[in-house]
Amino acid sequence: ETGVTQTPRHLVMGMTNKKSLKCEQHLGHNAMYWYKQSAKKPLELMFVYSLEERVENNSVPSRFSPECPNSSHLFLHLHTLQPEDSALYLCASSQDSGNEQFFGPGTRLTVL
Amino acid sequence: LAKTTQPISMDSYEGQEVNITCSHNNIATNDYITWYQQFPSQGPRFIIQGYKTKVTNEVASLFIPADRKSSTLSLPRVSLSDTAVYYCLVDSGYSSASKIIFGSGTRLSIRP
Repeated sequence: ETGVTQTPRHLVMGMTNKKSLKCEQHLGHNAMYWYKQSAKKPLELMFVYSLEERVENNSVPSRFSPECPNSSHLFLHLHTLQPEDSALYLCASSQDSGNEQFFGPGTRLTVL
Repeated sequence: LAKTTQPISMDSYEGQEVNITCSHNNIATNDYITWYQQFPSQGPRFIIQGYKTKVTNEVASLFIPADRKSSTLSLPRVSLSDTAVYYCLVDSGYSSASKIIFGSGTRLSIRP
């Protein structure tokens, strides 16, 4: 256990559905991240939050919408996704950005 | 951008020392070098971080030459459980998504 939890662990959704991924960290960290990992591709950083403020949006399509209501929780809202968005979505946290990141187990997303 | 280059895969045997080298020719003065380990269907896990010369912890050693354009992760006496993907990451510690780049990683396979 890394102190970072993600729910759900698996999600199957249609292209017209709206769903949300949840991440929670119990480490007292102040930076949180969303990553996408597609099959046989490098980890791609999507969003960075520091002190609950989004500090970077790494050219991610608007069908992905992050939300950070407090320093312990991070959401990724999904709508009108495409099949190519199927991937493992990983959440991470760190004490200040750039330090050692603690990753959650990920959500395996399949878009039909 | 300090992009990293690693071998795609490596094979070794139990009990051997494994050295994985990462090239980062464009590393900036403020960048640290961090290595992560990832098992299938799990999030990456921090192994070690360094800035220059040598860093050692209970898991691995990290060797960084004076020019810092490369680094070598050394795993002593590997076991079957060390079979994983190893990522080299160069990050300045600033909250910039464009600076946090995971490369393709090195897929390490350990044989009995």
